[in-house]
Amino acid sequence: GAGVSQSPSNKVTEKGKDVELRCDPISGHTALYWYRQSLGQGLEFLIYFQGNSAPDKSGLPSDRFSAERTGGSVSTLTIQRTQQEDSAVYLCASSFIAGGSTDTQYFGPGTRLTVL
Amino acid sequence: RKEVEQDPGPFNVPEGATVAFNCTYSNSASQSFFWYRQDCRKEPKLLMSVYSSGNEDGRFTAQLNRASQYISLLIRDSKLSDSATYLCVVNRAGRRALTFGSGTRLQVQP
Repeated sequence: GAGVSQSPSNKVTEKGKDVELRCDPISGHTALYWYRQSLGQGLEFLIYFQGNSAPDKSGLPSDRFSAERTGGSVSTLTIQRTQQEDSAVYLCASSFIAGGSTDTQYFGPGTRLTVL
Repeated sequence: RKEVEQDPGPFNVPEGATVAFNCTYSNSASQSFFWYRQDCRKEPKLLMSVYSSGNEDGRFTAQLNRASQYISLLIRDSKLSDSATYLCVVNRAGRRALTFGSGTRLQVQP
């Protein structure tokens, strides 16, 4: 079956512009996560959606970052007034929450964002 | 101090060698542990979960020491295709988001 897909694969923007990154999770997966990975760094959690529950936004680095998930499926991560330090690979993951255990997160290929 | 610490490497080993990676985590509330593999410019993929009793998957063996808050990954009979970055990952109780180490780079040479 299809995996997690993300678009665009690459995005180059100018400082101060807004960008939108899209994630299509695996069909049937109820949980969706956004992470980012800066050069040479580990993945940093940004935000988590699970069903109709309020999202866990504890990882968002500033109020310039926001995300939404429409219809429990597709998610969009928006970065307003981009800064050069926002340059990173933005990775989306999804999982099927089957109970109290931690379920495997499947990652998309990422969007490589470069802010000039 | 980072929540998950790994030696960044690189570890350069010949084909057929045995190599071990270590990882320490600082949050004692961590309850699930994993090793992910990430190839250059690719997304991370789950390699294996890590259980307290230790577990093995072919040439890969993972160990967890909760008392020392220490996780290890052993790769036997290294292959060229094992060259990648290995990410140590933990999950805190009550939190779905994963916490990643910065990764250990392995380069297996012919």
